Amino acid sequence: QKEVEQNSGPLSVPEGAIASLNCTYSDRVSQSFFWYRQYSGKSPELIMSIYSNGDKEDGRFTAQLNKASQYVSLLIRDSQPSDSATYLCAVNRNYGQNFVFGPGTRLSVLP
Amino acid sequence: DAGVTQSPTHLIKTRGQQVTLRCSPKSGHDTVSWYQQALGQGPQFIFQYYEEEERQRGNFPDRFSGHQFPNYSSELNVNALLLGDSALYLCASSFVQGADGYTFGSGTRLTVV
Repeated sequence: QKEVEQNSGPLSVPEGAIASLNCTYSDRVSQSFFWYRQYSGKSPELIMSIYSNGDKEDGRFTAQLNKASQYVSLLIRDSQPSDSATYLCAVNRNYGQNFVFGPGTRLSVLP
Repeated sequence: DAGVTQSPTHLIKTRGQQVTLRCSPKSGHDTVSWYQQALGQGPQFIFQYYEEEERQRGNFPDRFSGHQFPNYSSELNVNALLLGDSALYLCASSFVQGADGYTFGSGTRLTVV
């Protein structure tokens, strides 16, 4: 079992819809969780971080964490074509430890 | 406020050669981590440097080595290059605890022919 798993996609949604991206992780002691967006040929950029169970909202983005189920998700409301990118889930076991990345989910928002 | 800078942007090397990639962390960051990202895959952790020492290492052979300088900048060296080393090499900086996540540089695209 891989440490961090994501559906590779592509996930296609129409413009204005909600895009839902999912991530599961295997290390139960993981402490912090991050979502990065990566456009083709570019480096990852941080979208959101979440550390506690529940929801965290930032503009059109909502991260959800369920440590009991070892599951973290990212919702993108009112999806725009500019949101088309690969979304990487990253998990950090403890402060000072390296981040483990999932393979990424490719999102395509159709005009 | 400068972000993470990497050089060079692109590099083409021949099998068996050696390469050095460079990274300057974001101002105020003291930890540098290096990742390898093959096409269509997520970044894979190579190693992390803090206080000029390698703190952690991923599952990469000894051909991959690094260094951190007193000004927190870092180098990644790869010896005896293989075709499979062709990838995007990402440098990420953070505070030592990494609580705020990484800031990535724009990467170095290495092609081994």
